[in-house]
Amino acid sequence: KNEVEQSPQNLTAQEGEFITINCSYSVGISALHWLQQHPGGGIVSLFMLSSGKKKHGRLIATINIQEKHSSLHITASHPRDSAVYICAVRPLSSGSARQLTFGSGTQLTVLP
Amino acid sequence: DTAVSQTPKYLVTQMGNDKSIKCEQNLGHDTMYWYKQDSKKFLKIMFSYNNKELIINETVPNRFSPKSPDKAHLNLHINSLELGDSAVYFCASSQPRAGYTFGSGTRLTVV
Repeated sequence: KNEVEQSPQNLTAQEGEFITINCSYSVGISALHWLQQHPGGGIVSLFMLSSGKKKHGRLIATINIQEKHSSLHITASHPRDSAVYICAVRPLSSGSARQLTFGSGTQLTVLP
Repeated sequence: DTAVSQTPKYLVTQMGNDKSIKCEQNLGHDTMYWYKQDSKKFLKIMFSYNNKELIINETVPNRFSPKSPDKAHLNLHINSLELGDSAVYFCASSQPRAGYTFGSGTRLTVV
């Protein structure tokens, strides 16, 4: 079983819908990252969280450290949001190296 | 532009060859990484390196070796390439209390 589990694996939405992607992890962490990967693409860091909530434009990320759970929300979704969204954690065991352990990603498709 | 840049973007080579992928960051980050993304798009750490310590994922074959001439560069050398090495390789860098910055990836195809 992977230390980082994401759901759903695939998600199709209509433009304008509110989207939620979930991430659960089983290890102690010092930070959690949400990443975005477009087709043919590079990986962009969206958020780094260690507690609470962060917002950037239409994207909101929350984390509950006690429950070992994080969510990524997209409000007013748009076709350009179509991408793979990846949850990654920095385990406490990674120490000063700050290596990431990744979930398997959520393929989001937003239809016009 | 401040970035993590890696070259080449695409690399097609025959089995048994030796190849290198270069990575440079101009962000002043203290740690650099190589990650491998397999055919199912799953990412795994291969190496992390700062000027003090090289950490190697124990599952990485010793045909893979990182070389860091200075803090801004971490190159990946691969000897005796195998078909199973075909993947996308991402370089990345980070700084304490800061996020990650990834390179654009190198798609390696071994034929």
